[in-house]
Amino acid sequence: ETGVTQTPRHLVMGMTNKKSLKCEQHLGHNAMYWYKQSAKKPLELMFVYSLEERVENNSVPSRFSPECPNSSHLFLHLHTLQPEDSALYLCASSQFAVGGSNEQFFGPGTRLTVL
Amino acid sequence: RKEVEQDPGPFNVPEGATVAFNCTYSNSASQSFFWYRQDCRKEPKLLMSVYSSGNEDGRFTAQLNRASQYISLLIRDSKLSDSATYLCVVNRFNKFYFGSGTKLNVKP
Repeated sequence: ETGVTQTPRHLVMGMTNKKSLKCEQHLGHNAMYWYKQSAKKPLELMFVYSLEERVENNSVPSRFSPECPNSSHLFLHLHTLQPEDSALYLCASSQFAVGGSNEQFFGPGTRLTVL
Repeated sequence: RKEVEQDPGPFNVPEGATVAFNCTYSNSASQSFFWYRQDCRKEPKLLMSVYSSGNEDGRFTAQLNRASQYISLLIRDSKLSDSATYLCVVNRFNKFYFGSGTKLNVKP
């Protein structure tokens, strides 16, 4: 596997379900991100992890819970979601550096539908 | 004021045309700059980084003007496959700021 991978690619869940999204990066990067992109809207940053520590939580509701067990893996745990949470969830990675990060690479995303 | 601003378009151009997109950023401490391309319902993909001296990659040329805080992307000899949304991205202290994107439609 190369680059950034995400599973599942598609997910349909009810409002009472609990599910998790998984992201893995094979680039040796030290930072990982979750973004949300609703239909025809710009990317919204949700969480940033650097060296497995959360460095950014962009006022995301608690029904989204991230987990970063190591620098290569990132999870987004979902519970009691709302229909308006239906969106494309994108994971990305980059290499934090003193002079600012180099390029950010994205996974293919998980298309989530909440019924 | 938004961190990164772009004209949303759409830009509708015929094949073979030259098209230019501009983007402005609000914080002069911004450190690195990029153009990404996003196809419908897909993830953003890095098109090119943007350097102060300007840089070119085939039909694509990017320019950075730090004094005016704007970034440009020029596409020459447009192809149908260039149709996409082009995202201007700025990095400052390891945080990425995305523009809302400029949509390009290249028509036969």
